Amino acid sequence: SAVISQKPSRDICQRGTSLTIQCQVDSQVTMMFWYRQQPGQSLTLIATANQGSEATYESGFVIDKFPISRPNLTFSTLTVSNMSPEDSSIYLCSVDPGTGGDEQYFGPGTRLTVT
Amino acid sequence: QKEVEQNSGPLSVPEGAIASLNCTYSDRGSQSFFWYRQYSGKSPELIMSIYSNGDKEDGRFTAQLNKASQYVSLLIRDSQPSDSATYLCAVNGAGNMLTFGGGTRLMVKP
Repeated sequence: SAVISQKPSRDICQRGTSLTIQCQVDSQVTMMFWYRQQPGQSLTLIATANQGSEATYESGFVIDKFPISRPNLTFSTLTVSNMSPEDSSIYLCSVDPGTGGDEQYFGPGTRLTVT
Repeated sequence: QKEVEQNSGPLSVPEGAIASLNCTYSDRGSQSFFWYRQYSGKSPELIMSIYSNGDKEDGRFTAQLNKASQYVSLLIRDSQPSDSATYLCAVNGAGNMLTFGGGTRLMVKP
């Protein structure tokens, strides 16, 4: 499976600021995804990061709040903009390695606390 | 809206017993089914995938799929305290996106 890293691993931010989370994969992958996992909850898909085009957002998530970049097949960023305490969560990137099985592998996550 | 349902637990089993985790899903078009294990403070780890009806075994883990009943389960034989974690069921949908269940917390008591 692919080796996935995320930066930062955790951060504490003030409300109204923005944080950019980086996701790096050790191999080229077509499909990359960003999820949010709120405390005690399961995973919610934020968007699919498409290389060379705009991300595809799920219902309830908008580009102005969660802009995503995907400059190449090994890297993506998610920005959490104009943060509020409700954005406190774990943010996870995942990849589909393209083996045809639809499985996804997750990065270690970024734990964000907004004060 | 596509749904994946799991009993939140906690499911408590003694060490050495069989733990049985269940999941139901609403999208009859789903073709791929996954079980992830998530330890507290860690990210989900893929432990099993299943694509066709029946059983699939991998070590102490057995995944079972019944598409007619829209039901997928995970059996863990000879449960160990190290198996204590939250187990997430995931089902694919359109665009290869996964929908996750709420997870079942498993506690294996020594």
